[in-house]
Amino acid sequence: GIQVEQSPPDLILQEGANSTLRCNFSDSVNNLQWFHQNPWGQLINLFYIPSGTKQNGRLSATTVATERYSLLYISSSQTTDSGVYFCAVGGTDKLIFGTGTRLQVFP
Amino acid sequence: DTAVSQTPKYLVTQMGNDKSIKCEQNLGHDTMYWYKQDSKKFLKIMFSYNNKELIINETVPNRFSPKSPDKAHLNLHINSLELGDSAVYFCASSQDKIPGQVFYEQYFGPGTRLTVT
Repeated sequence: GIQVEQSPPDLILQEGANSTLRCNFSDSVNNLQWFHQNPWGQLINLFYIPSGTKQNGRLSATTVATERYSLLYISSSQTTDSGVYFCAVGGTDKLIFGTGTRLQVFP
Repeated sequence: DTAVSQTPKYLVTQMGNDKSIKCEQNLGHDTMYWYKQDSKKFLKIMFSYNNKELIINETVPNRFSPKSPDKAHLNLHINSLELGDSAVYFCASSQDKIPGQVFYEQYFGPGTRLTVT
C-alpha cells in the first residue's frame, strides 16, 4: 500500500514565525488532504490538493504529484495554530494518514 | 448546521459490554467512512460504505459491525468491548458516487472518544 511520511515530527515556534511541513508519499494518488487536529481533537480540513498550489489566508499548500510530495506553509504563526497537522493521501477509495507533525506555537 | 455529526461524543464503558456510535451527514454525500485514532494519534480506515453498501472492511475484528440504514447514516456497533478498543472513532463522508473513480475530499465528524475500563 501507499506509504506516507511527514516531517518534521515535532516543531516548536514562537508566534510570528513561518514554517514548512512536508509530506512524502510512495505512489501516485488521486486525493491528498491536509488536516489540522486542534487541541480539542477536531479534524479540520485545510486543503484538498492532489496537485497544484492553493492558498487560504496565512496557509498555503503545494503538491508536486510527479515527485510525490506536498508542502504546507504556515506564515506568521499564531498560538491557535498549535496542534497536529496530518497529511492524508488516497489512491481510489481510502485515505492513508501520515503520522503527523506536532506544532506548538508559543507567545 | 453540523455537516458530519456523531453521538455520543464520549463513551465510557466496561469490558465485555456492547455499544454503538451513530453518525449522520447532511451533505448529501454518497460515501461514508469510519476511522480509528489510537493513543499515539495514528489514524486508520476501518470501513467505508457507498450508498449503503460495504466497500472497505480493513481487517477489523468482526466484533465491529457497521450498519448503514440509509446513505446519510453510518452507525458502528461494537460487541464484547476490549481494553484495546479504547480510541477516538471518527466518521467521515465524501461525495464519491462510484467507488474507484474520482476520489473527492473527505469531511470528518467531531469524533467519539471511547474508553473501555
